[in-house]
Amino acid sequence: DTAVSQTPKYLVTQMGNDKSIKCEQNLGHDTMYWYKQDSKKFLKIMFSYNNKELIINETVPNRFSPKSPDKAHLNLHINSLELGDSAVYFCASSQFIRSYEQYFGPGTRLTVT
Amino acid sequence: KNQVEQSPQSLIILEGKNCTLQCNYTVSPFSNLRWYKQDTGRGPVSLTIMTFSENTKSNGRYTATLDADTKQSSLHITASQLSDSASYICVVSGDRGSTLGRLYFGRGTQLTVWP
Repeated sequence: DTAVSQTPKYLVTQMGNDKSIKCEQNLGHDTMYWYKQDSKKFLKIMFSYNNKELIINETVPNRFSPKSPDKAHLNLHINSLELGDSAVYFCASSQFIRSYEQYFGPGTRLTVT
Repeated sequence: KNQVEQSPQSLIILEGKNCTLQCNYTVSPFSNLRWYKQDTGRGPVSLTIMTFSENTKSNGRYTATLDADTKQSSLHITASQLSDSASYICVVSGDRGSTLGRLYFGRGTQLTVWP
């Protein structure tokens, strides 16, 4: 009965590889987000999708490509991974784009070696 | 520039004591302010959410205050418990225009409660 789930929880990979992180929410929400949390614990929004439509796209390298096959899923694909991509990536969802409440997933710790 | 500043960066208190965390923001126009608790290795969990018209909101031992005029908020924790050890993050939401739907995060206050 997990509200927002992410897979995998841990991801260790080498520079130059391509990897994907999956996110699913079973709350019936319209809006989903991807955040990056760096080693200093600073959370920064990367993308926001509302009803499968890209709403927010912060200054993120185009090696990062979000894909929303349906309202309940927002996956993050990363090409040509770099050392600086190592971080914890959080998926979140909210009922609407202006909803006060956002529900976060457990995070995916990505380590690039 | 829309920013959220939190202080202190870290705090250590003894179990049973009270503490207050601060958050100053410059986000405008402003919609709401949230306090999140993030346990180590977990995603953030919402503690309180306040709109510009609310001055205070409580959630158990957590009480948040908001002064929209001075753009300041505080989170007061009473009778701290070991389980309060976590990072507390202040998040401000924009209301319209370029800030619509955007969340602005503070860097968090790392609270450690010692027995």
